[in-house]
Amino acid sequence: LAKTTQPISMDSYEGQEVNITCSHNNIATNDYITWYQQFPSQGPRFIIQGYKTKVTNEVASLFIPADRKSSTLSLPRVSLSDTAVYYCLVGDGRTGTASKLTFGTGTRLQVTL
Amino acid sequence: NAGVTQTPKFRVLKTGQSMTLLCAQDMNHEYMYWYRQDPGMGLRLIHYSVGEGTTAKGEVPDGYNVSRLKKQNFLLGLESAAPSQTSVYFCASSYRTGGRTDTQYFGPGTRLTVL
Repeated sequence: LAKTTQPISMDSYEGQEVNITCSHNNIATNDYITWYQQFPSQGPRFIIQGYKTKVTNEVASLFIPADRKSSTLSLPRVSLSDTAVYYCLVGDGRTGTASKLTFGTGTRLQVTL
Repeated sequence: NAGVTQTPKFRVLKTGQSMTLLCAQDMNHEYMYWYRQDPGMGLRLIHYSVGEGTTAKGEVPDGYNVSRLKKQNFLLGLESAAPSQTSVYFCASSYRTGGRTDTQYFGPGTRLTVL
C-alpha cells in the first residue's frame, strides 16, 4: 500500500488560493489519488480523484506530476466554509483492495478573514 | 434519495453492555464499510463488506462484529463495550467502478461514549 504524507495543518486568509501537497513515493501503477474533505462532526466527503496530469471540477483542481510521487490539491479563493480537514488517499479500487485505503490524519486547513 | 444513514446518532453505554449500530444506504452500492474516528485522528477501518452476505476484517476489528444480511444494510455490533471503544463511528458505502478507486459516501456518524 502506498503511504501518504501530508502537512498536519495549514492556515490561509479568505480569498487566497490554497495548495495542499501529498507525498506518495511508493505509489503503484494501478493506484489512483483521491482527496476527501471532512467538516467537524460530519463524515468525509469526496472532493476529487485523478490518475495523472491535471483534473479539475467545480470545487478543486488536482495536479499530479509525471512521476506521480506527489499530488497537489488546489482550492481556488478559499472561504471560511473551506475550513476542514483534507485527506489524501492512494489506492487501487479493484475488487478486494478498495477496502485497504487508509485516511491518515489529514491536513487541517484553517481559513480566517 | 437519503444516501447513507446511521442509527442512532448518539449513544451512551456502560462497560460490558452491548449494542448494534445500523447503517443503511439507498444507492445500491456493493461495498460498505465501518470506520472509527478518535479525537484528532484519521479514520480507521473496522470491518467492511464487498457484497450481501460477505464481511471482512479491517485495520481494527477486535471487539466488533458485523453482518450484511441485506445489500442495503450493514450492522456493527459491540458485544461487550469497553471505554476504549468510545469514538465516533462512520459508515460508508461505494460502488464498484472497475479499475478506479471507489468513491466512498459517508453517513453522518454515531457518537458513542462508553462509561
